[in-house]
Amino acid sequence: KAGVTQTPRYLIKTRGQQVTLSCSPISGHRSVSWYQQTPGQGLQFLFEYFSETQRNKGNFPGRFSGRQFSNSRSEMNVSTLELGDSALYLCASSLETGYGYTFGSGTRLTVV
Amino acid sequence: AQSVTQLGSHVSVSEGALVLLRCNYSSSVPPYLFWYVQYPNQGLQLLLKYTSAATLVKGINGFEAEFKKSETSFHLTKPSAHMSDAAEYFCAVSDLQGAQKLVFGQGTRLTINP
Repeated sequence: KAGVTQTPRYLIKTRGQQVTLSCSPISGHRSVSWYQQTPGQGLQFLFEYFSETQRNKGNFPGRFSGRQFSNSRSEMNVSTLELGDSALYLCASSLETGYGYTFGSGTRLTVV
Repeated sequence: AQSVTQLGSHVSVSEGALVLLRCNYSSSVPPYLFWYVQYPNQGLQLLLKYTSAATLVKGINGFEAEFKKSETSFHLTKPSAHMSDAAEYFCAVSDLQGAQKLVFGQGTRLTINP
């Protein structure tokens, strides 16, 4: 059974650019969530999608957005990149509440 | 608002010794509680979860955790540490209602001494 797949694994972008990260959940999982991990702030919730609808959103600026497609694949977009956006971005999928998330290996974004 | 406090950002034990990683939570509703492990350059792997069934939860790799409502704790233990247990461990809480959102503790880095 394939796990959660995130692409790309590593990314280097310049300040002011935008970036799109992709996540393919485990087959059958309809809930996809995104987290940002940094040494200073730890793991912070970005947003969660279920059946193409955003159900919950964390405390991040509007530059951070996401979407989910009908096949449950999800993308997140960060516009006008700042140096502070450098982080490991983790995607996780789940069947439903209480089952626990399965995380991907993450995309490490470096903004220079 | 929910929150998680992990006592000790670094814990060091000898191989074969007991591992105890502490987690206290704050939640206004009955919580779901999780422990995750993260190895270098990898994502998070679920060790175990509490979802209001048995208060003593057994997970993978010999880990277990006990939910104590009166102490608002969910400490992670393993009787005998292995070198392969060296990693960072995260405790997380989510509520039963509404959408899934995990609130994580700051993490505890576990070092195993030979």
